[in-house]
Amino acid sequence: DAKTTQPTSMDCAEGRAANLPCNHSTISGNEYVYWYRQIHSQGPQYIIHGLKNNETNEMASLIITEDRKSSTLILPHATLRDTAVYYCIVRWAGTASKLTFGTGTRLQVTL
Amino acid sequence: KAGVTQTPRYLIKTRGQQVTLSCSPISGHRSVSWYQQTPGQGLQFLFEYFSETQRNKGNFPGRFSGRQFSNSRSEMNVSTLELGDSALYLCASSLAKLKDTEAFFGQGTRLTVV
Repeated sequence: DAKTTQPTSMDCAEGRAANLPCNHSTISGNEYVYWYRQIHSQGPQYIIHGLKNNETNEMASLIITEDRKSSTLILPHATLRDTAVYYCIVRWAGTASKLTFGTGTRLQVTL
Repeated sequence: KAGVTQTPRYLIKTRGQQVTLSCSPISGHRSVSWYQQTPGQGLQFLFEYFSETQRNKGNFPGRFSGRQFSNSRSEMNVSTLELGDSALYLCASSLAKLKDTEAFFGQGTRLTVV
């Protein structure tokens, strides 16, 4: 699986959009970009994933650059409950059950 | 539908003992994976079971083992416990289709070795 690079930490004011970047410059053509988050001491929670097109669901939006070397997870209206560690993972479709987690981005949402 | 269930939630064991952790996947999910999370090493993949067979294995010593039953429930076992085995052990289940699909995690079992 391709390696990912994320900022160690970010702050966001409640109600504002949180934009979490991820660099995956060695991604190959059949690898997906997945985002998970982990709220303190809980199991990771799936957020969203995409291959090459931008994706949106009830939790977030995923913007993937045209060259697929980077992506941004957008939480449109961050709340205090979005405070968590966010992991960007790049993986091949056939390895759904073997995820390689990096260190992630610790997002702190403040009042 | 019910999520991934891990039991027990908390466990305290003594060095040298062995421990068995249990994971019940989401109904219909045939793949179960196990992860270890420690402050120093982060989230690391242990192994994956699919249709009662180990399909993938991470870089852990042989003291760590697992199995999967015909109903897809899985157990992992750690023998001869060491202090460094203290961690949050997470189980994830997925449909394991050969296309994009996500893994769903349980709440984990926090193991403390004293």
